[in-house]
Amino acid sequence: EAGVVQSPRYKIIEKKQPVAFWCNPISGHNTLYWYRQNLGQGPELLIRYENEEAVDDSQLPKDRFSAERLKGVDSTLKIQPAELGDSAVYLCASSSYEKTDTQYFGPGTRLTVL
Amino acid sequence: QQPVQSPQAVILREGEDAVINCSSSKALYSVHWYRQKHGEAPVFLMILLKGGEQKGHDKISASFNEKKQQSSLYLTASQLSYSGTYFCGTGLQGAQKLVFGQGTRLTINP
Repeated sequence: EAGVVQSPRYKIIEKKQPVAFWCNPISGHNTLYWYRQNLGQGPELLIRYENEEAVDDSQLPKDRFSAERLKGVDSTLKIQPAELGDSAVYLCASSSYEKTDTQYFGPGTRLTVL
Repeated sequence: QQPVQSPQAVILREGEDAVINCSSSKALYSVHWYRQKHGEAPVFLMILLKGGEQKGHDKISASFNEKKQQSSLYLTASQLSYSGTYFCGTGLQGAQKLVFGQGTRLTINP
């Protein structure tokens, strides 16, 4: 079974530039999560999708962050414009309807904003 | 709301035992343990549900003290492959949202 796929793995941009991250969850997993992990910290939830519906986006900075999950499969997280403080690892995770307690993480995208 | 993990870091020799604690100020429904190696994805280890159960596989086990809102992860006869950062994620009943602790960095030396 293929795991959660994320791309790119690394991204370096200048501040004020836009950036997008892509996630492909495990096949059949209806729940998708985006987390941000700052250096030396645990993951922090940004947004959770149930199929194509965002059911928890309370932690998403909506002035600059946006996300979508068209057709309830792949998802894209966008930042526009990026700020220095956005430098972090952005993790995607997914879980199945039958086993919602177990989240499977992707390798993440390491973003550096200069 | 974020659970507190202790210790923040621990260094052991191969074969020694380790205990990592995770405490919450809120009534918990579940505690999830993950291990993350540098530059890699967090890997699920186990989940403990409300009820004070203890779980384990191989030489890694965990307990959940519902009264204290605390979970402990036990690593016995540690192996080099156990090195990494361990995170606990706490869940409240009725919510699929996990809140992760700040992590405990475990280093196993030969």
